[in-house]
Amino acid sequence: GQQLNQSPQSMFIQEGEDVSMNCTSSSIFNTWLWYKQDPGEGPVLLIALYKAGELTSNGRLTAQFGITRKDSFLNISASIPSDVGIYFCAGLTRGSNYKLTFGKGTLLTVNP
Amino acid sequence: DADVTQTPRNRITKTGKRIMLECSQTKGHDRMYWYRQDPGLGLRLIYYSFDVKDINKGEISDGYSVSRQAQAKFSLSLESAIPNQTALYFCATSDFGGPVDTQYFGPGTRLTVL
Repeated sequence: GQQLNQSPQSMFIQEGEDVSMNCTSSSIFNTWLWYKQDPGEGPVLLIALYKAGELTSNGRLTAQFGITRKDSFLNISASIPSDVGIYFCAGLTRGSNYKLTFGKGTLLTVNP
Repeated sequence: DADVTQTPRNRITKTGKRIMLECSQTKGHDRMYWYRQDPGLGLRLIYYSFDVKDINKGEISDGYSVSRQAQAKFSLSLESAIPNQTALYFCATSDFGGPVDTQYFGPGTRLTVL
């Protein structure tokens, strides 16, 4: 089946620093999604990307849909303590009846 | 009130017991999903349902069964629980009415099988 390689697995940063994480796949996706999971909660959608090359922002978050449609990155600028959590990428292909394939997550820790 | 609710939120059971996890949604979505989350493995799809009469296996359906009792309810059963089914279980819903099938997750059920 399809697999997503998400990196890094974990990050420890200081408050105020910028963060970057990415996902790559051997398969093409029609849509890329980025979710955040707070401790003890379910994942929440942050950004959805629909077209190759698309660059989308949501506050301090910026994500891009790679030109090859096989990768995506998420940047967080000026991190704050509430950015702590697990970030998941997910890819969607129409051929899979709209099931999402999730990456394994990036655990972000922000030191005040 | 939460749009996607799961009960129970925590459950500890013994090997061999039958367990049912329930999911309800008030979003009016047609599609519902069950995932399990294990540390370092992300989210893996167990079963999904695109409407009341539709049930589909995901990538890790062995040892699980589901029932879609109504549009708003989707339950997951472990017929005979085993320790490696200890995990965090999430229900999700989506509505294929927009440009992307965006899934909304419940708060999760933490299951421990002793």
